Amino acid sequence: GESVGLHLPTLSVQEGDNSIINCAYSNSASDYFIWYKQESGKGPQFIIDIRSNMDKRQGQRVTVLLNKTVKHLSLQIAATQPGDSAVYFCADQGGRGGSARQLTFGSGTQLTVLP
Amino acid sequence: EAGVAQSPRYKIIEKRQSVAFWCNPISGHATLYWYQQILGQGPKLLIQFQNNGVVDDSQLPKDRFSAERLKGVDSTLKIQPAKLEDSAVYLCASSTPARYEQYFGPGTRLTVT
Repeated sequence: GESVGLHLPTLSVQEGDNSIINCAYSNSASDYFIWYKQESGKGPQFIIDIRSNMDKRQGQRVTVLLNKTVKHLSLQIAATQPGDSAVYFCADQGGRGGSARQLTFGSGTQLTVLP
Repeated sequence: EAGVAQSPRYKIIEKRQSVAFWCNPISGHATLYWYQQILGQGPKLLIQFQNNGVVDDSQLPKDRFSAERLKGVDSTLKIQPAKLEDSAVYLCASSTPARYEQYFGPGTRLTVT
C-alpha cells in the first residue's frame, strides 16, 4: 500500500550545526506534506508544511524541500539547538481528496543534539 | 488558545479489561481524530469525526474498539476487552475542515499487562 518512510531512524548532530532529515513518499497523488516534531511524552507539534506546487518553503530556522521527481522530502534545521532533540515525522495527505483531510505518517527520525 | 485536552495521561490495565479515553478538541474545530501510536512508530489513524458524524473508521478494530462524539465536541474512545497489543499511546487531534494541519493533544499512554 501507499506509505511514507524515512531514510534513517536516528540522527546525531553537534549543537550549532545544521540538521537534515529526509523522507520518501510513494503516493504520487499526494499534494500536501507536513513535518511534525514530537518530544518525549508529548503529542506531535506542527513545524512546517508544503504543497506540491512548491519546491521549497522556509520558516524560522527550518526549511522544507520537496522533490516530486524522486518523491523526496527533507527538513533542514539551521543552527541546531538542544531543544531540537526530538522525533521528527513527515506526513502526507496520501492522495485523499475532498473532505477527508487525512494524514499518513512515516515512522519518524530521532534527532539527538550533542553538546 | 487552549490546546487539545486528553485524559487520563496514563493508564495501566490487565488484558480483557476495558478502558476509556477522553478528548476535548480546540474550540471551534469540527474535525476530530483518534490515532494509535505504538512505540517507535508514527501515529496511525483509527477514526475521524466531522462534528458528530464518522468520516472514516476503516482502520478501527470494531470488534473491540468504539468511539463516539455525541454532541460534536468531546469524544471518547473505548477498548473492550483490551489485548496486550493495544499497549500504545492514544492521541487525539483536531482541525478545521478546510485545513490539513492537525493539532495534537498530549496523548494517553496505555499499558496492558
